[in-house]
Amino acid sequence: TQLLEQSPQFLSIQEGENLTVYCNSSSVFSSLQWYRQEPGEGPVLLVTVVTGGEVKKLKRLTFQFGDARKDSSLHITAAQPGDTGLYLCAGAGRRGSTLGRLYFGRGTQLTVWP
Amino acid sequence: ETGVTQSPTHLIKTRGQQVTLRCSSQSGHNTVSWYQQALGQGPQFIFQYYREEENGRGNFPPRFSGLQFPNYSSELNVNALELDDSALYLCASSPRPQLAGGQVEQFFGPGTRLTVL
Repeated sequence: TQLLEQSPQFLSIQEGENLTVYCNSSSVFSSLQWYRQEPGEGPVLLVTVVTGGEVKKLKRLTFQFGDARKDSSLHITAAQPGDTGLYLCAGAGRRGSTLGRLYFGRGTQLTVWP
Repeated sequence: ETGVTQSPTHLIKTRGQQVTLRCSSQSGHNTVSWYQQALGQGPQFIFQYYREEENGRGNFPPRFSGLQFPNYSSELNVNALELDDSALYLCASSPRPQLAGGQVEQFFGPGTRLTVL
């Protein structure tokens, strides 16, 4: 059972289009991290959001953390073929036995066609 | 600054065998976490090591065990391999353990692809 639900699971778009990926949970996290993973490689950290309502921008990528710290979104403007990959969101446990562990969604596989 | 490294890259074993996977943490990082990523799934937390002791464990059976060494490198051992153990095993390091109310980022290695036949 995945604690974090990501949608859509697959996304196939043309270069130049905009897209949004969603990450939802019924649990509250101390922080939420977004990673991108290429086939056969480990996830690469893109951003960490900590404060409810926080918005962070990384070039054409905009990340938002929900006010209640349960959900997040990733918006990509003018997607490029180099953005192709598996996008994973991960929530960090807040206390007790959940401290130190990341709870991952299943990921959104993005393909951007030239 | 060296990132997280893992060895071997790929491994093929048969059911019932034992396997040891290795991880060197990023320079300056003293905390190592292991994750299992089955095909089409997100990574699942196995356990975390800090100061050579287990510092949290996910929902994995005791045949999954680990070690951390004084130089902060780590091993993941899996006994009595089952077909469902086939997965990408990821090691992640962080500069310190997460404290209550705090946050700390984890940085992943490239993974070891284990195939159990």
